[in-house]
Amino acid sequence: GENVEQHPSTLSVQEGDSAVIKCTYSDSASNYFPWYKQELGKRPQLIIDIRSNVGEKKDQRIAVTLNKTAKHFSLHITETQPEDSAVYFCAEWWSGGSQGNLIFGKGTKLSVKP
Amino acid sequence: SAVISQKPSRDICQRGTSLTIQCQVDSQVTMMFWYRQQPGQSLTLIATANQGSEATYESGFVIDKFPISRPNLTFSTLTVSNMSPEDSSIYLCSVLRGQGSEAFFGQGTRLTVV
Repeated sequence: GENVEQHPSTLSVQEGDSAVIKCTYSDSASNYFPWYKQELGKRPQLIIDIRSNVGEKKDQRIAVTLNKTAKHFSLHITETQPEDSAVYFCAEWWSGGSQGNLIFGKGTKLSVKP
Repeated sequence: SAVISQKPSRDICQRGTSLTIQCQVDSQVTMMFWYRQQPGQSLTLIATANQGSEATYESGFVIDKFPISRPNLTFSTLTVSNMSPEDSSIYLCSVLRGQGSEAFFGQGTRLTVV
């Protein structure tokens, strides 16, 4: 089946620095890639997403880039703040199953040190 | 976004018993998804629940262990049957909104089997 590789598994940065998380996928037909933030004890929440017809999307301090040729997409957080500390999951909408579903990466635990 | 009410939020159960988790959505949706998230891990899809038909289970999950009901377009239940300590996990329901692929999650059910 389809698989999404996510790196790094943990990331520690100083407040104000940038953080980058990268994911790779294998199905060239996939066309939707969301990112979720999960704070401790809470549900995953969609923070940004990108579709395959664009290469980059930005929302304030968060941006996502997509390289369809290389089959990878990345989350960029600039000017990190302590409240950015959480686990981040990338995902891929995979249509290869019977109805389609999201395939999640293993997650990146981001720690922002004040 | 979507308002998804999931209950119970947590439970401690004896091994060999069953627990039914409920998920209520604020508007009609075609597909509802059930995920398992083991401690410190990513989200694994258990099954997709469609109204009016049997749920579609992912590899490694079977109907006898995780029976699902979908009586209408706003409600679903997942039962964890004949529980063992290995079933201790967080269970989440999810629905799609937006352009069809944006997933929103219930608050999760933290299950501990003793």
